Amino acid sequence: ILNVEQSPQSLHVQEGDSTNFTCSFPSSNFYALHWYRWETAKSPEALFVMTLNGDEKKKGRISATLNTKEGYSYLYIKGSQPEDSATYLCAYGSSNTGKLIFGQGTTLQVKP
Amino acid sequence: NAGVMQNPRHLVRRRGQEARLRCSPMKGHSHVYWYRQLPEEGLKFMVYLQKENIIDESGMPKERFSAEFPKEGPSILRIQQVVRGDSAAYFCASSRPETSTDTQYFGPGTRLTVL
Repeated sequence: ILNVEQSPQSLHVQEGDSTNFTCSFPSSNFYALHWYRWETAKSPEALFVMTLNGDEKKKGRISATLNTKEGYSYLYIKGSQPEDSATYLCAYGSSNTGKLIFGQGTTLQVKP
Repeated sequence: NAGVMQNPRHLVRRRGQEARLRCSPMKGHSHVYWYRQLPEEGLKFMVYLQKENIIDESGMPKERFSAEFPKEGPSILRIQQVVRGDSAAYFCASSRPETSTDTQYFGPGTRLTVL
């Protein structure tokens, strides 16, 4: 059974704080790691797709790193804003078929 | 460029009825994926289709569920003789004709309620 674990499950921070979450995935048969941002009542929004060990991606105040050998990825948010409040999902692709295995998500609440 | 479209957004069915969920991928996308989110659970892969082909249906329940992506028209997820346990949010995603390294773009989902 392939398991993708995310921690913490939820997080409350003050506006302006920087924060990070973890995604753990099987290190064998790795193909790709996806990060999504999901606001309530909306579609999951794609943030990053990462494929190479050591990959670092950045989009505005959000960045992510990837370690395929030990099976983890970190998502960082610098200077959190209330509009960053959402659930952040990671998803692991282990083959070329496009099938993604999702973690349970980390729900971030940023207080003004 | 319109995003992934799903309809209906909300669907109510009585036990034993059929549910048909539609997904129109983004323009230029020929790969469609269906995921299900049961209450209090995460997104779970169901099926991956290309035009007129099912590529991976390892997440589909063996009975009552079927999916198709015809040459023309939207992808359809069909659930026959629905039961209360089928109540969930069903999400469709699409991607370009690449591999699992390509971004999957999600639709808004169809929330199925079985009475």
